[in-house]
Amino acid sequence: QSALTQPASVSGSPGQSITISCTGTSGDIGGYKFVSWYQQHPGKAPKLMIYDVNYRPSGVSNRFSGSKSGNTASLTISGLQAEDEAVYYCSSFTSSSTVIFGGGTKVTVL
Amino acid sequence: EVQLVQSGAEVKKSGESLKISCKGSGYSFTTYWIAWVRQMPGKGLEWMGIIYPRDSDTRYSPLFQGQVTISADKSISTAYLQWTSLKASDTAMYYCARLRFLESPADFWGQGTLVTVSS
Repeated sequence: QSALTQPASVSGSPGQSITISCTGTSGDIGGYKFVSWYQQHPGKAPKLMIYDVNYRPSGVSNRFSGSKSGNTASLTISGLQAEDEAVYYCSSFTSSSTVIFGGGTKVTVL
Repeated sequence: EVQLVQSGAEVKKSGESLKISCKGSGYSFTTYWIAWVRQMPGKGLEWMGIIYPRDSDTRYSPLFQGQVTISADKSISTAYLQWTSLKASDTAMYYCARLRFLESPADFWGQGTLVTVSS
């Protein structure tokens, strides 16, 4: 079972919006609404940012939003800030009743 | 306050056995799943498997089936990840995380346990 496909890196200037894509198959992203996004700063544990495609946990900024179309999910960060610089991972529940992650996308704030 | 506290860093030799732990507190340990996630140096997250402490129902990702054992002791709210014979390629950070249901997000994570295996 291959990892979900994410771009290796995305960059943007402060205040801009960026979007990270995450492509899977009908056996994961395309078949379920159970897509999550995690933020990981260096040396830290991952933090849940988006779940069930487009829901934010309490305490997560509304600058983070998620969507899905077919086999591809997306995370958009609007009003980019220096603190958003991190690696972002998508994940999806799969038809094997397990979870698969994307390879991770490093977000750089220019 | 929900907490998942993992055991400390380990340095082992190839062929040795190891069991690391993840202790939950601040919530009902038996009503959430605990997952284990591997992160090799400089690499991404990999889902290893998951356990439901109430009845020890355990599921493994195909890549890790037969390579590790996941267990739990609900009496002390602790989940475990175990190896019988470590390899250098097991060197990684290992995280535990809790999920309400199998398809739920991992909403709380442990701080991670660094395992270093020398050959």
